[in-house]
Amino acid sequence: DTGVSQDPRHKITKRGQNVTFRCDPISEHNRLYWYRQTLGQGPEFLTYFQNEAQLEKSRLLSDRFSAERPKGSFSTLEIQRTEQGDSAMYLCASSRGQGSGELFFGEGSRLTVL
Amino acid sequence: AQSVTQLGSHVSVSEGALVLLRCNYSSSVPPYLFWYVQYPNQGLQLLLKYTSAATLVKGINGFEAEFKKSETSFHLTKPSAHMSDAAEYFCAVSPGIGTDKLIFGTGTRLQVFP
Repeated sequence: DTGVSQDPRHKITKRGQNVTFRCDPISEHNRLYWYRQTLGQGPEFLTYFQNEAQLEKSRLLSDRFSAERPKGSFSTLEIQRTEQGDSAMYLCASSRGQGSGELFFGEGSRLTVL
Repeated sequence: AQSVTQLGSHVSVSEGALVLLRCNYSSSVPPYLFWYVQYPNQGLQLLLKYTSAATLVKGINGFEAEFKKSETSFHLTKPSAHMSDAAEYFCAVSPGIGTDKLIFGTGTRLQVFP
């Protein structure tokens, strides 16, 4: 199975620490998306890449958040100086980029900030 | 701006009963509409999508949805619920051509009782 994989699946950290999540998309997909999902809410768009270019960032993505996709393959999402409000499930998805709306999601990385 | 509203955060049905999950959309342009399903401990997966072709869309696992422009609705139905349908269901909207970015609703958790 060569679906979208995310690592780590769970991360518990103390407030103020930095955390990094990794996403490996489906290999032939050129678009990669990051979403955040909190309890009782649907996924909220954070940012997306076409190949290595970051094309759009949500206003939800504060200065403490940074995402990269070097070489247009895997992507990382880093959160600096974590706050309790950052506790959420961080979802990665990829697509062929044909505007079909079919996103392939990973299982997510759950962040708990104590 | 585009958005979707899912009425009812929880829906409970008996096995064999009709499933009806409601979604209303708001869009200034002809929308693409989607239903995604999230089974416990799994990533979101596409159930079905409407992209301005047939207004009645059939998806996987016996689900279907009908696009009704006059009602700005895209409700999800299944004639007979199975225990395996228990999951969280998300309606989503996209501006369509050229983008796979999705705006999700808050989700409806479906419980199926024997």
